[in-house]
Amino acid sequence: KAGVTQTPRYLIKTRGQQVTLSCSPISGHRSVSWYQQTPGQGLQFLFEYFSETQRNKGNFPGRFSGRQFSNSRSEMNVSTLELGDSALYLCASRRGETGELFFGEGSRLTVL
Amino acid sequence: QKEVEQNSGPLSVPEGAIASLNCTYSDRGSQSFFWYRQYSGKSPELIMFIYSNGDKEDGRFTAQLNKASQYVSLLIRDSQPSDSATYLCAVNLWGGGATNKLIFGTGTLLAVQP
Repeated sequence: KAGVTQTPRYLIKTRGQQVTLSCSPISGHRSVSWYQQTPGQGLQFLFEYFSETQRNKGNFPGRFSGRQFSNSRSEMNVSTLELGDSALYLCASRRGETGELFFGEGSRLTVL
Repeated sequence: QKEVEQNSGPLSVPEGAIASLNCTYSDRGSQSFFWYRQYSGKSPELIMFIYSNGDKEDGRFTAQLNKASQYVSLLIRDSQPSDSATYLCAVNLWGGGATNKLIFGTGTLLAVQP
């Protein structure tokens, strides 16, 4: 059974650019959550999608957005990148509204 | 004050000893509590969750919850070098094991010395 797949795994951008990260959940999982992980702040919740609807949102500026498609795949977008956006972005999926979260390997973003 | 606080460590224990990892949380409304393990360069993986006061055991792992003190801990018995990792505590306002918006601590680095 394939796990949560995130692409790209590594990317480098410059300030002001935008980036789109992709997440394919485990087959049959309808919920996708996104987290940002940095050494100083740890894992911080960005947003959660369930059946194409955003159900929860963390305390991040509007530059961070996301969406979920009908096949449960999800994308997150960060516009007007700042140096502080450098982080590991983790996607996690679960089957329903409760239950274990399964994390992907993450997309490591470096902003120069 | 951070919502979920953990000592960053490193916590160093000898092989075979009991490792005790602690976590405090600020929101009294928190209902579900989780422990994740994250190896260096890898994604977090769930060890166990607890949402009732008391102890919950799973193999070598025991989670302890004290809602009155807003404190949750993880004990690892017979620690092995393979247990060396960062342990993340996470809480959720919803009960029943809900994981819809987890608030994580920054993690405790555990080092088990052979």
